Amino acid sequence: NAGVTQTPKFQVLKTGQSMTLQCAQDMNHEYMSWYRQDPGMGLRLIHYSVGAGITDQGEVPNGYNVSRSTTEDFPLRLLSAAPSQTSVYFCASRAGTVGPYEQYFGPGTRLTVT
Amino acid sequence: AQSVAQPEDQVNVAEGNPLTVKCTYSVSGNPYLFWYVQYPNRGLQFLLKYITGDNLVKGSYGFEAEFNKSQTSFHLKKPSALVSDSALYFCAVRSSSGNTNAGKSTFGDGTTLTVKP
Repeated sequence: NAGVTQTPKFQVLKTGQSMTLQCAQDMNHEYMSWYRQDPGMGLRLIHYSVGAGITDQGEVPNGYNVSRSTTEDFPLRLLSAAPSQTSVYFCASRAGTVGPYEQYFGPGTRLTVT
Repeated sequence: AQSVAQPEDQVNVAEGNPLTVKCTYSVSGNPYLFWYVQYPNRGLQFLLKYITGDNLVKGSYGFEAEFNKSQTSFHLKKPSALVSDSALYFCAVRSSSGNTNAGKSTFGDGTTLTVKP
């Protein structure tokens, strides 16, 4: 199993540009989520999905969209990039919504918005 | 609302000494508690978890954690630290009560562990 994969690993955007961060998992996990990691602020949940076709907002959803058309894929779209979105983004998955399942994290995407 | 506090931004220990990384939490109902480790420029890796039962949980790489319900704590420990244990450690909590909070996990801000030779 490849686990959780993310592309790209690095990205530089200009303010106002849009892009999609890709995330895929091959473990048939039901639950997927996107986090951003900023220094001293831990991980903050952007959006999550409890299954294909079902998504919901986390604590910092503004400026981001997600979709979950398949179990495997959970892309994160930045609609109009802003310097405040400069961060490291992690995708994670776990086997189920309910139950003591640990999360599996991707390697991250380091995004810089100028 | 659920929350996690890691009161120390940085923990420094000498190689061979015991280490403790502290975590306290707040959650509705009984908790699921997790520790993750992050090495530089990498994603988080699962270390161990508390589900129920025995208050001392053993995990990967010789780490263990002690659950204390009355103090709402879940401190990470290792009897003898290695230089290779140097990393960023995150504590996380989730409610075990069905779909409470939609199964969302809350992470602490992280503690940087430095083990010196």
